[in-house]
Amino acid sequence: QSALTQPASVSGSPGQSITISCTGTSSDVGSYNFVSWYQQYPGKAPKLMIYEVTKRPSGVSSRFSGSKSGNTASLTISGLQAEDEADYYCCSYAGSSTWVFGGGTKLTVL
Amino acid sequence: QVQLVQSGAEVRKPGASVEVSCKTSGYRFTTYTLHWVRQAPGQRLEWMGWINAGNGNTRYSQKFQDRVTITRDTSASTIYMELSSLRSEDSAVYYCARVLYYYDNGNYYESAFDIWGQGTMVTVSS
Repeated sequence: QSALTQPASVSGSPGQSITISCTGTSSDVGSYNFVSWYQQYPGKAPKLMIYEVTKRPSGVSSRFSGSKSGNTASLTISGLQAEDEADYYCCSYAGSSTWVFGGGTKLTVL
Repeated sequence: QVQLVQSGAEVRKPGASVEVSCKTSGYRFTTYTLHWVRQAPGQRLEWMGWINAGNGNTRYSQKFQDRVTITRDTSASTIYMELSSLRSEDSAVYYCARVLYYYDNGNYYESAFDIWGQGTMVTVSS
C-alpha cells in the first residue's frame, strides 16, 4: 500500500496555529477512524500525540487537536511553541490488519 | 511503568540475516499485540508487521512478507524480528511498538501505537 501524503514541511511563528494534512484513500483514512499522529524529535522514538482521529493521550497538551474529512485527516497545533519543532507523522489503519504511515512533515517554529 | 527495551545496534553484510529483540515490562505481556516499524535514515516510518503476544498470530506487510519473521518468547516477555536477505536499503532504525486497543460489543479494535521501544540501528554494508 502507498504511503499517506503529507506536506514535506510547514512553519509558523510562536503563538500561531498550524495545520498538517494527511491524505489517504477510501481504503484507509476514508474508511476508518483509526488515524493517529506521532511527534518525533531527531534520533528519538515517535511519541503518540493523537489517536482515533481526535483523542489525546493523557499528558499531551490540549494545543494539539485532530480532525478528519473524507480521505484527509489533519493535525492542528495552536499556540505554537519552540518545543513543537519536530517531525510529525500520521498513521492509518488500512484494513486486513495492516497499517500505513504518512511521509512525515517537518515543522519549523520560526 | 511500561517499557519496551530493544537490543543493540547490528552490522551485517548484504545477504545475511539479522534478529532484533524487544523486551517488554510493566504490563501483562500476553494481553497486547506488538508491531515492528522501521525508519531508514532521513525517511518516513514504515510499518512491517505485528505479533499477537498471546496466541503468536502474525501479520506482515506485503513488502516484507517473504523476508520477515516475528516471534515471541512468553517466558521472557520478549518479541523478536528477523529480517533475511538483507540489502543496503534495509539499513534503518527498527522500532517495536505496543498497540492501543479496546473492545466494543465484544469486537476487538486496535487504534494506535502508544508505547515505543528506543529503536535499534541495523546497518547493512559490505
